Amino acid sequence: QVQLQESGPGLVRPSETLSLTCTISGGSVGSYYWYWIRQPPGKGLEWIGYIYYTGSTNYNPSLKSRVSISLDTSKNQFSLKLNSVAAADTAVYYCARDALKYGHNWVDPWGQGTLVTVSS
Amino acid sequence: SYELTQPLSVSVALGQTASITCQGDNIRSKNVQWYQQKPGQAPALVIYKDTNRPSGIPERFSGSNSGNTATLTISRAQAGDESDYYCQVWDSSTVIFGAGTKLTVL
Repeated sequence: QVQLQESGPGLVRPSETLSLTCTISGGSVGSYYWYWIRQPPGKGLEWIGYIYYTGSTNYNPSLKSRVSISLDTSKNQFSLKLNSVAAADTAVYYCARDALKYGHNWVDPWGQGTLVTVSS
Repeated sequence: SYELTQPLSVSVALGQTASITCQGDNIRSKNVQWYQQKPGQAPALVIYKDTNRPSGIPERFSGSNSGNTATLTISRAQAGDESDYYCQVWDSSTVIFGAGTKLTVL
C-alpha cells in the first residue's frame, strides 16, 4: 500500500521560497497524477497543483505565477516550490496521489500533512 | 471558474440521518467525491463518483447527485462521524473543493 510523507522546513521567512518534498513509499511514480493541496489553519482545502508521471503540470490559477511542481522518479519523490511567500501561505501542506492510473479520478491516498508557517 | 457551495454547518441528533449538500452549476454532469476530515488528520475519502464507498467505509455513508445538488447522507449518525466534510469535483482539468461543512452530532 503506497504511503506518502511530506518533508521540508516548518518555518519560512516572508518573500522567500517554500520548498517541500513528498516521498513515495510502497509504490512508484507509475502512471499517476500527483497532487499538492494545502489548508490554512481553521480553513478549507485548496488545490495547489499536480504533476503527471510524464512531467506535465497544472496549477491553481490563483497561485500559478508563484508555484512549481517537479518529479524525481529516481528518488521516488515529487516536490513543491512556492516563491515570494507571505503570511497567507501559512498552512498545512498535503501531498497526495490520484486513486487510479491514467486519469483524473479522486484523491487517495494523502500524506499526513506538514505545517509550514511564514513568519519573520 | 466553477464553484461548489456547502453549508457551513449541519447538526444531527445521535442515531438520526444527516444530509450535507454540495451545490454547483449542473453538478450532475460531474463526478463528485466526498472527504471526511477529523481534527489534526488528513482528509479521507468516503464517497467517490457520486455514490461509491471505498472499502472500509460503513454502509451508513451514501451519496447522490442530481441537477445542481450532490448530497452526502449519513444514516444512524454516531459521535465518531463528527467531522468536517468536503465535496470535490474536477473542472477543466483543475481540482475544485467545496468550502467544507462541519457536522455536529448532538
